[in-house]
Amino acid sequence: TQLLEQSPQFLSIQEGENLTVYCNSSSVFSSLQWYRQEPGEGPVLLVTVVTGGEVKKLKRLTFQFGDARKDSSLHITAAQPGDTGLYLCAGAINTNAGKSTFGDGTTLTVKP
Amino acid sequence: EAQVTQNPRYLITVTGKKLTVTCSQNMNHEYMSWYRQDPGLGLRQIYYSMNVEVTDKGDVPEGYKVSRKEKRNFPLILESPSPNQTSLYFCASSAYSGVVYNEQFFGPGTRLTVL
Repeated sequence: TQLLEQSPQFLSIQEGENLTVYCNSSSVFSSLQWYRQEPGEGPVLLVTVVTGGEVKKLKRLTFQFGDARKDSSLHITAAQPGDTGLYLCAGAINTNAGKSTFGDGTTLTVKP
Repeated sequence: EAQVTQNPRYLITVTGKKLTVTCSQNMNHEYMSWYRQDPGLGLRQIYYSMNVEVTDKGDVPEGYKVSRKEKRNFPLILESPSPNQTSLYFCASSAYSGVVYNEQFFGPGTRLTVL
C-alpha cells in the first residue's frame, strides 16, 4: 500500500502553461519534502515543509503543505523545458522519523 | 566536494551469486538509507541507519542485508540475488536532527540486473 499517492502520474504540457502536482496521504507527516530527479541521476531536494498550512515559494515553484499535514501540492507557473523531470514527494511519519516514504512520482514533460 | 558515492554503477549478475553494493559519504552524516526505484513505484526504502551499528528495516527489506560499522559507509548486500531484485538502487545520507529530517543527499545510483 502506497502511503503517499501522487497525481497525475504523467503530465505533458506546452512551455508557458501552469500545472499542479498533488501528493496525498491518509497519514499525518511530521515533514514533507519535494525532490526532482533527472534521468541517470539521484533525486535532488527542492523544498521541505513542516508546518500545516505552510506555503513556500522557489522562483516559479510554489509548495503547499495541507493544514492537517496529510497532503501537499507543487504548483509551477509558466513551465519551461528545463522543468522536465520526475517530481517526487517524500515524508516521514512522527512515530518513526527514520523511515522515509516516497510517492510514486509525477513525470513532467514540458515541450518547447 | 560533498558527495555520496556508490559502486559499482552498473552490474549484471546471475541468480544466487552474492554481491555487495558499496555506499560512502564524506559529509559526516548520521543517517544513511538504501532505496530501490522501479518504474511507476517511486523510491521504496530497503534499510536505513540512524547511526553506527544502528540499522532498521524499511518497506522492502526482504532479500537484502546492510551493515554500518563506520559512519561513512553503508554497504548493501544481496546474499542470493533473484531476478525480482533487478532494479535501480540509490543510497542516500542526511544530517538527521530529530523528528524533522533534513535533506537527503543521493548517490548516482546503481543499476543492477539479475539474470
